[in-house]
Amino acid sequence: GQQVMQIPQYQHVQEGEDFTTYCNSSTTLSNIQWYKQRPGGHPVFLIQLVKSGEVKKQKRLTFQFGEAKKNSSLHITATQTTDVGTYFCAGPGGGSQGNLIFGKGTKLSVKP
Amino acid sequence: EAGVVQSPRYKIIEKKQPVAFWCNPISGHNTLYWYRQNLGQGPELLIRYENEEAVDDSQLPKDRFSAERLKGVDSTLKIQPAELGDSAVYLCASSPSTGKMISENIQYFGAGTRLSVL
Repeated sequence: GQQVMQIPQYQHVQEGEDFTTYCNSSTTLSNIQWYKQRPGGHPVFLIQLVKSGEVKKQKRLTFQFGEAKKNSSLHITATQTTDVGTYFCAGPGGGSQGNLIFGKGTKLSVKP
Repeated sequence: EAGVVQSPRYKIIEKKQPVAFWCNPISGHNTLYWYRQNLGQGPELLIRYENEEAVDDSQLPKDRFSAERLKGVDSTLKIQPAELGDSAVYLCASSPSTGKMISENIQYFGAGTRLSVL
């Protein structure tokens, strides 16, 4: 079945270092979404990418959607302790329009 | 605007006992989702409603799980009887609809119910 894979599973960085998480889908996606889940919290929507090759920025966060619309990345420049959490990518799938398949997430820890 | 409201936040039960979770979606959101999230994993869909209709329950373990959304607004997810492996966080999410606009598929999550089965 359709899969959404993320790497790495964990990332430990020193505050100020950069961070990147990668997302790969086994199928072409119409769009990809990114969510952030703080420790003990719930997933919160960050952004949606729709176009092939699209790049969007939110302050220190840069999101990319691959040309083939099968992969995506999230890059954080100069991490801060507030960036701590698990970042999930999600794409439409699961055999039914409207469903999202979530990756397993990348857990980011930031050492001050 | 109020977000997705779930209750209870935490529930501890013994195995074989029943348990129920409640969710009130964002006002006006037609689509409601129930997910299960195990530790270190992403949310996994259990069931999706469009208004009062369960349009996808293929991942719901129907021998012990049931759900309802009678009036197309709030929803209840039930487990009876609970097993040790049901310990997880149960998340409810809503979206405006799953219509033609891709942006309508953005999901808004509640705080979840953390279930511990002893």
